[in-house]
Amino acid sequence: GAVVSQHPSWVICKSGTSVKIECRSLDFQATTMFWYRQFPKQSLMLMATSNEGSKATYEQGVEKDKFLINHASLTLSTLTVTSAHPEDSSFYICSADPDTNSPLHFGNGTRLTVT
Amino acid sequence: QKEVEQNSGPLSVPEGAIASLNCTYSDRVSQSFFWYRQYSGKSPELIMSIYSNGDKEDGRFTAQLNKASQYVSLLIRDSQPSDSATYLCAVRGTYKYIFGTGTRLKVLA
Repeated sequence: GAVVSQHPSWVICKSGTSVKIECRSLDFQATTMFWYRQFPKQSLMLMATSNEGSKATYEQGVEKDKFLINHASLTLSTLTVTSAHPEDSSFYICSADPDTNSPLHFGNGTRLTVT
Repeated sequence: QKEVEQNSGPLSVPEGAIASLNCTYSDRVSQSFFWYRQYSGKSPELIMSIYSNGDKEDGRFTAQLNKASQYVSLLIRDSQPSDSATYLCAVRGTYKYIFGTGTRLKVLA
């Protein structure tokens, strides 16, 4: 149980375009989902907490206008990287937990390359 | 002081040996602790969760928790080359999970 699906697994886009990444909880409802970013050989960095039906909570230093998060249902959160630039190239990973007593489960991640 | 601290490694152990990975945390009220394994280029996968003091065993893995010392560890018995990965310690805070920077484990064949 507790499967988190993320799509796409990789995407290449041109500088200045926008990219949407989807995160779905397949067998549980998630009022909260977490979005992480990871650069090569670095640790996970929490970008934002996605809250169903309300605004996302962004970590310090993360531009909310650049990384748009929508959590419109209890099983779907999306992250849109707007006006992407090469420095946004990274590994983006979403995660969710079925409840506060359960572990966090991760999607397979999306590798974004901006050319 | 970092909220969750791990030695970055690499920790090198010979095949068949016991690998011992350690983690300390700063928030005394934390109640939930997790170990994740992350292979290069992949997302983390859950290895163990532990919530109460003592040991918890699952196959070749044993998690140990000592809340008084704010310390959690992971032992991997009979280490295999396929165990070579980065191991992340995570602590659940009030609103989010706090991850350590990970310990890179190398199991030498």
